Amino acid sequence: DVKVTQSSRYLVKRTGEKVFLECVQDMDHENMFWYRQDPGLGLRLIYFSYDVKMKEKGDIPEGYSVSREKKERFSLILESASTNQTSMYLCASSSGLPAYNEQFFGPGTRLTVL
Amino acid sequence: AQSVTQLDSQVPVFEEAPVELRCNYSSSVSVYLFWYVQYPNQGLQLLLKYLSGSTLVKGINGFEAEFNKSQTSFHLRKPSVHISDTAEYFCAVNNDYKLSFGAGTTVTVRA
Repeated sequence: DVKVTQSSRYLVKRTGEKVFLECVQDMDHENMFWYRQDPGLGLRLIYFSYDVKMKEKGDIPEGYSVSREKKERFSLILESASTNQTSMYLCASSSGLPAYNEQFFGPGTRLTVL
Repeated sequence: AQSVTQLDSQVPVFEEAPVELRCNYSSSVSVYLFWYVQYPNQGLQLLLKYLSGSTLVKGINGFEAEFNKSQTSFHLRKPSVHISDTAEYFCAVNNDYKLSFGAGTTVTVRA
C-alpha cells in the first residue's frame, strides 16, 4: 500500500529554534512536496522537488528551506522558527507530471511555535 | 496563473440527504481539476479528477463531479451522504507545474 510518513504528528518549538520536519515515501516517486495548511487558506505550496538534490520554490518559501539527499526523503527546515509558522505541515509525493497525477499525502505535522 | 474558488466554507447536511460542493476555476486552456478529501486527523486523498473526455467524472465513495466549461465550474455531488462523509473537501487545479488548492469546504453530516 502506498505510504507517506512524517516524522512527528505534533511538535512544539520555541521562537528562534531550527526545526526539521522529515517526510519519507515508499513509492519510488520522483516528486515530493511540502505544503502548509491553515484554516480558510487551504493548502499552500512551500517547496517542491522533482528529483534528488533538485528543488523549486512554491508560493510561500520565505523562512523555509528544504533538503532532498535521497529519493525517498524530503526534509523541510525552518531556519529560525517564528510564531507565524505555527501551522499544519503536509508532505506529499507523486510520479510523472506533478500537475496531472495524483498526489499522495502524509498525515501531517501540527507545529506550534511558542 | 490558474486558481480555484470554493464557494462554501461550511456545509451542514443531514444523513441520507444529497450534497453539492461548489468549485469555480479561473478561465484558461488545458484545465485539469481535482477533488481531494481530508478526513479528521488524516492527510488528503484523491476523490476524483478531470483531465479530459467525459465531463461527468465518477470517483470513490459514491462521489461525482461535473466539468462545466461555459460556467468554469467543477462541482462535487453525492446523492446520499453518510456520517462517515464528514470531512474537509478541497478542489484543486493545475497551475503551471503544480496544483493550486481552494480554501476548503467543511462538510458536517448529522443524523
